[in-house]
Amino acid sequence: GQQVMQIPQYQHVQEGEDFTTYCNSSTTLSNIQWYKQRPGGHPVFLIQLVKSGEVKKQKRLTFQFGEAKKNSSLHITATQTTDVGTYFCAVSGGYQKVTFGIGTKLQVIP
Amino acid sequence: DAGVTQSPTHLIKTRGQQVTLRCSPKSGHDTVSWYQQALGQGPQFIFQYYEEEERQRGNFPDRFSGHQFPNYSSELNVNALLLGDSALYLCASSPDRGQGYTFGSGTRLTVV
Repeated sequence: GQQVMQIPQYQHVQEGEDFTTYCNSSTTLSNIQWYKQRPGGHPVFLIQLVKSGEVKKQKRLTFQFGEAKKNSSLHITATQTTDVGTYFCAVSGGYQKVTFGIGTKLQVIP
Repeated sequence: DAGVTQSPTHLIKTRGQQVTLRCSPKSGHDTVSWYQQALGQGPQFIFQYYEEEERQRGNFPDRFSGHQFPNYSSELNVNALLLGDSALYLCASSPDRGQGYTFGSGTRLTVV
């Protein structure tokens, strides 16, 4: 099945700084999904990217899908304390089975 | 519009016992997937149910079994509990042709 690697695993930033997490695969991905899990919470779906080179924005969050569909990134501009959590990339395979990466844990220092 | 509901929220069991976890999917969703999330790890796929049948299964032993009912709700059963089964168990629902999962708040299982 399709698998993804995420880097970094941990990131500490000062509030107001930007943050980026990367998701990579050795194979071409059919799609990529991004989820956010707050501490003590459950994963919450953020977005799905399907097209090569696709870029989507949600307020301060920018999601990109690579031209070769082997990598993706999530960029947060001017982080806030509400951005704290673990960000997972995930791949939806056959029958909607979703395989998750290990996640990037973001800490924002006020 | 109710989201995904799971019960119980917390559970403590003794090694060797059996446990049943329950999930009601979001209204309009007919596919239910179960995940195990150990501390500091990403969710690991256990299995998926659609039309009351197990449609896909992850790399979990037969001690893990499930069921889906005609109203799309689902149960996850784990037999002969091991200490290593301690984790957050997440239920996720989706429309069969939709995008993205809606997760429940999970059941925190502790095996002692």
